[in-house]
Amino acid sequence: QVQLVESGGGVVQPGMSLRLSCVASGFSLNNNGVHWVRQAPGKSLEWVAFIQNDGGLIYSADSVKGRFTISRDHSKSTVFLQMNSLRADDTAVYYCARDIWLLEWRFFDLWGRGSLVTVSS
Amino acid sequence: EIVLTQSPGTLSLSPGERATLSCRASQSVSSNYLVWYQQKPGQAPRLLIYGASSRATGIPDRFSGSGSGTDFTLTISRLEPEDFAVYYCQHYGTSMHTFGQGTKLEIK
Repeated sequence: QVQLVESGGGVVQPGMSLRLSCVASGFSLNNNGVHWVRQAPGKSLEWVAFIQNDGGLIYSADSVKGRFTISRDHSKSTVFLQMNSLRADDTAVYYCARDIWLLEWRFFDLWGRGSLVTVSS
Repeated sequence: EIVLTQSPGTLSLSPGERATLSCRASQSVSSNYLVWYQQKPGQAPRLLIYGASSRATGIPDRFSGSGSGTDFTLTISRLEPEDFAVYYCQHYGTSMHTFGQGTKLEIK
């Protein structure tokens, strides 16, 4: 079955760190760019960060710049989101999503089920 | 930064009715990069429409997308019980990817 699976979420105190992982099954994640998108409770979706398939292009939202780092390990076919200096407003479900470039179109075609991160003292 | 505004915030309809959801961009965007997703409670978003009007694999033909420039529409021709969910539009940007705030489609 083709799917993405996130892990690594949990409850942490403000200022602490957490690392999320995104692993694919049924296909090789090494062939695709990957995004992280988060959703605070009851809120809309917020794009967080992107890494190209070869890691050559990386960019992130201003709200997490300098605190969150996206990376990937091709040997493990895994994409990571290292989250430092966590704040209460980082509390959200974090999804990884597969990036697709199809001819002239661009979109996220496959999403994981998400990993909940709660930042609370 | 492009801002996407979806309307209405909540749409109350009955099965069998037609649903029309709007997504307005703060500036003109390429329709190639306008995407619609469906999200049900406790689930991940699901790709519905890309390129403003192309249905993703496995999406029923009662779903259709249209629009250009700043105004885009998602239409569900005849609502089925499983269509009641939250719908998001997205602009796939150059270094930023913006989502609208969502339209909740609820059963009347």
